[in-house]
Amino acid sequence: AQSVSQHNHHVILSEAASLELGCNYSYGGTVNLFWYVQYPGQHLQLLLKYFSGDPLVKGIKGFEAEFIKSKFSFNLRKPSVQWSDTAEYFCAVRPEYSGGGADGLTFGKGTHLIIQP
Amino acid sequence: AAGVIQSPRHLIKEKRETATLKCYPIPRHDTVYWYQQGPGQDPQFLISFYEKMQSDKGSIPDRFSAQQFSDYHSELNMSSLELGDSALYFCASSLVRLGTDTQYFGPGTRLTVL
Repeated sequence: AQSVSQHNHHVILSEAASLELGCNYSYGGTVNLFWYVQYPGQHLQLLLKYFSGDPLVKGIKGFEAEFIKSKFSFNLRKPSVQWSDTAEYFCAVRPEYSGGGADGLTFGKGTHLIIQP
Repeated sequence: AAGVIQSPRHLIKEKRETATLKCYPIPRHDTVYWYQQGPGQDPQFLISFYEKMQSDKGSIPDRFSAQQFSDYHSELNMSSLELGDSALYFCASSLVRLGTDTQYFGPGTRLTVL
């Protein structure tokens, strides 16, 4: 079974600071990788995803993530954060779709990001 | 764009009662997933349905059951409710048959068991 580890449970930054949130996964095969954001009181929204191809993927709101296969990592980055980025960020993984059905996502514990004005 | 719809948004039940949560996927999506998110926790996968057949099973208690209907909506039935079942229940949908299994989440149903 797969697992996901997010290194930082709480991160506090000032506006305009750069952000990097760590995510490592454990799985013996090929995976699809996702970052979701959950704003206070809201549902999960997809920030970006990696299925294959260019390991550097760009998502919404200026976020990007880099898949490093050798390190089993999929870290999320943003060069300059805004107060509105305050939210919970979840990294998620699932085995690559093999045509056998629809597998559920395995989430990390999440990182609570607070941006101070 | 149309999103995943869940009803009800809030539900309060007593211990040992039953509850039914409903999920309406994004139009033309063929797959539905259910997740449970406890307070301050990450979402835990419960179960999924692809083309009305159970596809994957996670940590769903035996007291819970679910199904996907001919119009692709899904219902999660929860019986003998316990205090620990209090959580946010998310439904997600995706279009698996195109091979791009990106899950889009609904707003959730907040279940409180008293």
